[in-house]
Amino acid sequence: GNSVTQMEGPVTLSEEAFLTINCTYTATGYPSLFWYVQYPGEGLQLLLKATKADDKGSNKGFEATYRKETTSFHLEKGSVQVSDSAVYFCALRTAGGTSYGKLTFGQGTILTVHP
Amino acid sequence: DAGVIQSPRHEVTEMGQEVTLRCKPISGHDYLFWYRQTMMRGLELLIYFNNNVPIDDSGMPEDRFSAKMPNASFSTLKIQPSEPRDSAVYFCASSLLGDTEAFFGQGTRLTVV
Repeated sequence: GNSVTQMEGPVTLSEEAFLTINCTYTATGYPSLFWYVQYPGEGLQLLLKATKADDKGSNKGFEATYRKETTSFHLEKGSVQVSDSAVYFCALRTAGGTSYGKLTFGQGTILTVHP
Repeated sequence: DAGVIQSPRHEVTEMGQEVTLRCKPISGHDYLFWYRQTMMRGLELLIYFNNNVPIDDSGMPEDRFSAKMPNASFSTLKIQPSEPRDSAVYFCASSLLGDTEAFFGQGTRLTVV
C-alpha cells in the first residue's frame, strides 16, 4: 500500500537558518504530493502541493519539488522565522488503484525556531 | 464557504458513555475523512467516504467505533462505550476529488475520564 516517511524530529533552528525536512514515499501509480502545517491548537492547513513529476510547489517561502526518480518531496525554506514553529506533515493521494482517494500522511516533524 | 465544521470542539465524558462527534464537510465535496491524533500514535486515518459510501474503514480501532454519512452534508463518528484510551483530537476533512488537497476542520478534543 501507499506510505510516507518523514525525517525524525524534533528539529530546532535559530531564526534565519535554512530548513530541510525530508520526505520519501511509496505509492502505486502517480500520486499527488502535499505538505501540511499544523499550528498549536489548530487543524491541518495545506502549505503546498505538486501533482506531477518535476513540479515545484511553493508558498510562504517554502518549496518542495516532486522527484519521481528518488520518490521524494523534501520541504525547504531559505530563512525560517519564529512564526514557522509548527508541526509539518508530508502526505500523498492517488486517484487510482485499490487505495483511490486515500490521503496518507507521514508521522509529522515538529519544528521549533528560536529568536 | 465556512470550511469544514466540527462539533463539539471539546468533549469530556466518563468512561462507558456514548460519544458522538459531528462533521459538516465543505459543500460540493464528495470525499470525507475521519482522523485521530495522539502524541503516541500521531495522525491515524480511521475511515473515509466517497459519495457517502465508506471506502476504507480498516483504521477503525475496534467495534466500539462506528461512522456514518447519511447525506452529503453530514457525518458522525460514534464511540460506544468510550474508554480513557480513546482520548485524542479527532479531525474531519473533506475534498472535492480523489487526488486533490483535503481541507481540515478545527478538530474535536475528546477526553474520557
